[in-house]
Amino acid sequence: QLQLLESGPRLVKPSETLSLTCTVSGGSISNNNYYWGWIRQPPGKGLEWIGSIFYSGSTYFNQSLKSRVTLSIDTSRNHFSLKLSSVTAADTAVYYCARRLSGSWNSWGQGTLVTVSS
Amino acid sequence: EIVLTQSPATLSLSPGERATLSCRASQSVNNYLAWYQQKPGQAPRLLIYDASNRATGIPARFSGSGSGTDFTLTITSLEPEDFAVYYCQQRSSWPPEVTFGPGTKVDI
Repeated sequence: QLQLLESGPRLVKPSETLSLTCTVSGGSISNNNYYWGWIRQPPGKGLEWIGSIFYSGSTYFNQSLKSRVTLSIDTSRNHFSLKLSSVTAADTAVYYCARRLSGSWNSWGQGTLVTVSS
Repeated sequence: EIVLTQSPATLSLSPGERATLSCRASQSVNNYLAWYQQKPGQAPRLLIYDASNRATGIPARFSGSGSGTDFTLTITSLEPEDFAVYYCQQRSSWPPEVTFGPGTKVDI
């Protein structure tokens, strides 16, 4: 059974870089049927897609975040990562990693709350 | 950017009743339309993909329909565990992007 698990600091200072990793178990991240991605949800609000990455390393991003987002993938470790630079309080959210098949996200991590505060 | 609009924002119903949720796209999404259910403190769960296909393990009381810009999620007879927030989501090829609707809360 596929499992995704987010890890990384839960508290980040304003202007610094948020870094998260999603470790995938129960399946290969190199499967060319899937994209992998990050979605976030500020407390009490809706879902916002951040970006997606393919096993080959090709990426695409939410245009509103593109200038601050870096995605990477490590097929040898079966994980992929998110970096979001110059964070502000508006970046406080639950961050989910997920797997996308065709048009929909069919497997999700449990999510991790990242708070931006000094 | 393709914008998704969901209506109503809140739907107040009782167990056993039928729920009809709407999702409208600002331009055609070529049926790459999905529906998710989210309960408090949990990750979203995929219900419907490609507008009308139930995901694995999803009960038959959930169904999706529509095409182009107008889509509907129907829950034929609400069970107590169905009270949650429901999001629609699209994936477009160009520009390559994913967007979510603002959600519809189904409550008692």
